Amino acid sequence: AQSVTQLGSHVSVSEGALVLLRCNYSSSVPPYLFWYVQYPNQGLQLLLKYTSAATLVKGINGFEAEFKKSETSFHLTKPSAHMSDAAEYFCAVRISGGYNKLIFGAGTRLAVHP
Amino acid sequence: EAGVAQSPRYKIIEKRQSVAFWCNPISGHATLYWYQQILGQGPKLLIQFQNNGVVDDSQLPKDRFSAERLKGVDSTLKIQPAKLEDSAVYLCASSTNPGDTEAFFGQGTRLTVV
Repeated sequence: AQSVTQLGSHVSVSEGALVLLRCNYSSSVPPYLFWYVQYPNQGLQLLLKYTSAATLVKGINGFEAEFKKSETSFHLTKPSAHMSDAAEYFCAVRISGGYNKLIFGAGTRLAVHP
Repeated sequence: EAGVAQSPRYKIIEKRQSVAFWCNPISGHATLYWYQQILGQGPKLLIQFQNNGVVDDSQLPKDRFSAERLKGVDSTLKIQPAKLEDSAVYLCASSTNPGDTEAFFGQGTRLTVV
């Protein structure tokens, strides 16, 4: 069965520091992987997606993620955190062969302090 | 382009009462999803429609939850009777078709059952 595990429910960084949010997936077939961001009292917004093209995926707001098959990982990074990046981030895997069903991880709350 | 619209934004009810949520997807989107997001967890798919037909309702508690998508456009999710553990944010999302890799989310309805 396909699933995702997000390591660390809370991550805190200083403004200007590197952001690293971890996601590991489990899939018996090549996966489609996604990162979504959720600001307080908002819906989910797509940051980036991996669909078996380039392994390094660039998204919005300066975020990027690298698909590493050998490590079954899809970690999200940003070189320099901004206060506006404070939000909850969800990694998700799409179940292939079905109707585009997304399976979400439990989420990582990112705090950015001055 | 208008996004996914949901109403109400907030709802407080007593246990054993009934409640209904409404979702209007992006125009032209054939696929519609209802997710349940319990505090501290990632969204969980409750039901997925393709046009006005259900393609996945495997995680919908059918003894109390029901959903419909008449005419293949907007959708209603109902809970009757509500339990305390139904307190969550209910997110609606839509995509153009099952093969589309991106789903667009509404702002959600926050339900509190007391």
